[in-house]
Amino acid sequence: AQSVTQLGSHVSVSEGALVLLRCNYSSSVPPYLFWYVQYPNQGLQLLLKYTTGATLVKGINGFEAEFKKSETSFHLTKPSAHMSDAAEYFCAVSRGPGNQFYFGTGTSLTVIP
Amino acid sequence: DAGITQSPRYKITETGRQVTLMCHQTWSHSYMFWYRQDLGHGLRLIYYSAAADITDKGEVPDGYVVSRSKTENFPLTLESATRSQTSVYFCASSDNQGNTGELFFGEGSRLTVL
Repeated sequence: AQSVTQLGSHVSVSEGALVLLRCNYSSSVPPYLFWYVQYPNQGLQLLLKYTTGATLVKGINGFEAEFKKSETSFHLTKPSAHMSDAAEYFCAVSRGPGNQFYFGTGTSLTVIP
Repeated sequence: DAGITQSPRYKITETGRQVTLMCHQTWSHSYMFWYRQDLGHGLRLIYYSAAADITDKGEVPDGYVVSRSKTENFPLTLESATRSQTSVYFCASSDNQGNTGELFFGEGSRLTVL
């Protein structure tokens, strides 16, 4: 069975501060891991993904995430928050192409000017 | 560059009425999915399809019907809408020939059942 837990449904950071959004997963097989971002009244768009290989993955808009197998984590970070980063962020796990995705319940990021 | 489109974007209906949400993708992706998004629940899978004429239930299929006669279309029908089906519905597609299987989402259909 697979599942995703996102710690903190709401996170607030000051503009220019570090963004850290937490994601832990459970999976009985090597996971494919994803972070998606959702802006108001829009669909989800892919920020970054981990499949195999390098455990530190870089995505769009300056975000990156590190796959830590020993901690079953895939936390999302960005060194310096921008106002435009305010959105809902979803972590997801899959067993790979053709398999179901399991989404976390989302983290709403607020950026304070 | 249409990608994946959903219609209608907004719909208000009454309890007991039939509603169909349309989803169309231009990438010829083999997999298509319907999710509903509700506060506190994230995204929950309603139905998915691996190819034309192949569909399967997801986590919350009750009250919904899908069909997939053509690869590019995957309509979702609420046969008799209930207030609990008020939600935002997202269609997504995925190409299992790729090496990641990432999902590509539509803009969503916001449904209100009165």
